[in-house]
Order: sequence, then structure tokens, then C-alpha cells
Amino acid sequence: NAGVTQTPKFRVLKTGQSMTLLCAQDMNHEYMYWYRQDPGMGLRLIHYSVGEGTTAKGEVPDGYNVSRLKKQNFLLGLESAAPSQTSVYFCASKKEAGTGAYFFGPGTRLTVL
Amino acid sequence: TQLLEQSPQFLSIQEGENLTVYCNSSSVFSSLQWYRQEPGEGPVLLVTVVTGGEVKKLKRLTFQFGDARKDSSLHITAAQPGDTGLYLCAGPRPGTYKYIFGTGTRLKVLA
Repeated sequence: NAGVTQTPKFRVLKTGQSMTLLCAQDMNHEYMYWYRQDPGMGLRLIHYSVGEGTTAKGEVPDGYNVSRLKKQNFLLGLESAAPSQTSVYFCASKKEAGTGAYFFGPGTRLTVL
Repeated sequence: TQLLEQSPQFLSIQEGENLTVYCNSSSVFSSLQWYRQEPGEGPVLLVTVVTGGEVKKLKRLTFQFGDARKDSSLHITAAQPGDTGLYLCAGPRPGTYKYIFGTGTRLKVLA
């Protein structure tokens, strides 16, 4: 039982390049989330999904797209990376809405030059 | 405006000392969670408090939810180097199931 996994762990991009971050969970959770974590800003929600085939915008969605074609996977795409997207990205999953725990992946450290 | 304010931002103490960190809001929360995040890892849930005035203990960690459900505290007794990490509080944005996270307290316990 791996929990939530993220690939890659580190990535360096040049401005304008694109990339996809992959998140996978093996807990059969309905809800999945993408957060970014920046110093002094805490965790900010980018996009989330309440089930297979659904996605919704969070607090800071601009410049990102997501897809949830399979229940266990949640992809985060950057179409044209900008230096402002330099951050640590965390994927999380949750069994259902309510007071249950968020299960986080180990993070992806992205640097955009 | 940060809905969940955590204080202090940074705390460096010696092993064996006691400490308290705070999570405050001007809004009422239906519940609050506390997470600990170690360097290079994602946050891990420590506890969820749901009732005003509730106190929960996890070994040397004591969590309290304020009577008015606008604040919470985490008290660590006899801190150890293994307690080092970023402590985050989180709760559902009032009226929704969308959780927001505080900016965290970064704790360093020196041996």
C-alpha cells in the first residue's frame, strides 16, 4: 500500500516549456487535490477533483490544467511554465468530504528558470 | 487575508522544553485539523478536533479546540528533536467542505 505517490520528485524547466506532474493513489479515494507550497504562503489549492472524470478550480488555478481520467490518477499540467510557478507541488487524496484526513504525496520541487 | 493565522512563525527551543503554538481565526470552523510536515515530505495528519472546548492528547502533544471554535492550540511537553517540523492547522472554509491551511509554525528542537 504505497498511499499517494508523485512523479517526478524534482524538475527544472525553462520559461515557456510544458510538463505534466503525475499523482497516483491506491486507497480508492474519491477526492484528489493539487496544492502548491510557497514560503510564507502556506498550502494553496490549485485544482481538485471530487471523482473520476470531474475537476474544479481552487484558489490559484491560472496557468495550470488538470485531468482525472482514472480514479486513481490526477494529472497537473503546466502548458507554458513561468518563473512564478517555481514551487513545491503536493498532491493529496481524501476518502470523502468531511472531517477525514488528507493524505499527501511527498511533493515535486519545480524550478522554472 | 489569511483565514487561519498561525503563531509563532518560527520557534527554536532546546530539548526538554515545553511549547505552545496557536492557530487563530476570526471565523467559526466546524472542525480543525493539525498536520506535521517533515523536510522533504508531505504533511501528515496528527489530529482532528470537532467540538468546541475539546482536548485531545497524542503522547506528549495536547491539542485544544477553542470554546467558540475560532482557534486551536498545540502544546508539546518535553520537546524532542523528533518533534522538529512544520506544524500546520487546517479547516473547512466556513460553509464549505473546501479546506484551507494556515501558513504554519516551523519548529526546531535542538539536542
